Amino acid sequence: GENVEQHPSTLSVQEGDSAVIKCTYSDSASNYFPWYKQELGKRPQLIIDIRSNVGEKKDQRIAVTLNKTAKHFSLHITETQPEDSAVYFCAASKGYSSASKIIFGSGTRLSIRP
Amino acid sequence: DAGVIQSPRHEVTEMGQEVTLRCKPISGHNSLFWYRQTMMRGLELLIYFNNNVPIDDSGMPEDRFSAKMPNASFSTLKIQPSEPRDSAVYFCASRLGEGAGELFFGEGSRLTVL
Repeated sequence: GENVEQHPSTLSVQEGDSAVIKCTYSDSASNYFPWYKQELGKRPQLIIDIRSNVGEKKDQRIAVTLNKTAKHFSLHITETQPEDSAVYFCAASKGYSSASKIIFGSGTRLSIRP
Repeated sequence: DAGVIQSPRHEVTEMGQEVTLRCKPISGHNSLFWYRQTMMRGLELLIYFNNNVPIDDSGMPEDRFSAKMPNASFSTLKIQPSEPRDSAVYFCASRLGEGAGELFFGEGSRLTVL
């Protein structure tokens, strides 16, 4: 079955700097890759996603890149702000069926230093 | 819609007791997922349903865990008997349509087994 690995497990960056989180997946049939943000004590929420027919997607300060050949994808946050502090989860899914499951990486705890 | 509703929000019980967690998905959503979150293992998929039918329960830890979805608006996750290692936050999430859709999480049920 699908396995998603995520690195690093913790990341601390200075406010205003960029943060990069990387994930690899094992199942070449996966074609949908969402990212979820979980603030302390809250539920995970979708922040951005990418499908395998696209190499890059951007939404304001966040962007995701996908390398299908290498089976890895990354989350980039630019101009980090205190409210970016949270745990970020990558995930992978075979998104062509309503019966598809979503497997999450182990999470990255991002801390923004003032 | 009120979103995905889970109950109880917090449960403290003693080892050996039966625990039942409940979930009401967003109306109209046809997939429902149960995840368990711990510091060590991140977000683990336990089981998911599509149109009320269990599709994959390979993540269920052992026979002590069982889940049901008797209708489109209700699901339960039961642990019997409970053990201290079951202590975790259990999230229910629902999704509309295809596998490339957003997961909407409930607020979670924090279980502590003494």
